[in-house]
Amino acid sequence: AQSVTQPDIHITVSEGASLELRCNYSYGATPYLFWYVQSPGQGLQLLLKYFSGDTLVQGIKGFEAEFKRSQSSFNLRKPSVHWSDAAEYFCAVGPGYNTNAGKSTFGDGTTLTVKP
Amino acid sequence: DTEVTQTPKHLVMGMTNKKSLKCEQHMGHRAMYWYKQKAKKPPELMFVYSYEKLSINESVPSRFSPECPNSSLLNLHLHALQPEDSALYLCASSQDRGGAAQNIQYFGAGTRLSVL
Repeated sequence: AQSVTQPDIHITVSEGASLELRCNYSYGATPYLFWYVQSPGQGLQLLLKYFSGDTLVQGIKGFEAEFKRSQSSFNLRKPSVHWSDAAEYFCAVGPGYNTNAGKSTFGDGTTLTVKP
Repeated sequence: DTEVTQTPKHLVMGMTNKKSLKCEQHMGHRAMYWYKQKAKKPPELMFVYSYEKLSINESVPSRFSPECPNSSLLNLHLHALQPEDSALYLCASSQDRGGAAQNIQYFGAGTRLSVL
């Protein structure tokens, strides 16, 4: 069974500082991996995804993530955080190639607070 | 257009009421999802429709009744809900074809439901 762990429940960074949010997954084959962001009272917005190929993926809003198969990790990074990045971040693993639409598994989320 | 539209944005209902949530997408997606999300928690999958047929029901109580009248529209009918059903209800859609693209889910902004 697939699972996703986000070890950090809450992270606080200063505006302009760098950010790394951790994500570890458990999956039997090559995973499809996602990072979503959710602002208060809003739906989830896809930041970036990894399906195959280059292990460093670029996303929207200046975010990037690196897939490391040996560590079963897909950590999200941003070199300089803006106050508007304060939100909830979810890592997710998808149901896999050539399966019908099905379950994605979400981590429990990391709340990002940005200090002025 | 990558928009999933959910109405209403907010809903307050009594335990004896009947109400419906609506979700619409015009991206040609053939898979649509209902999620329930409690505060500070990840989304929990409730139902998946694939090509207008119910493909996944995550043992959701019968007081929640989904309906997919056509490929663009998804409803969630609510009847005799309990206060613990108060949550953010999210709709999502994906392509649902073989291959990686099917895994990308696009989320609506959600309906904030309060059951009194």
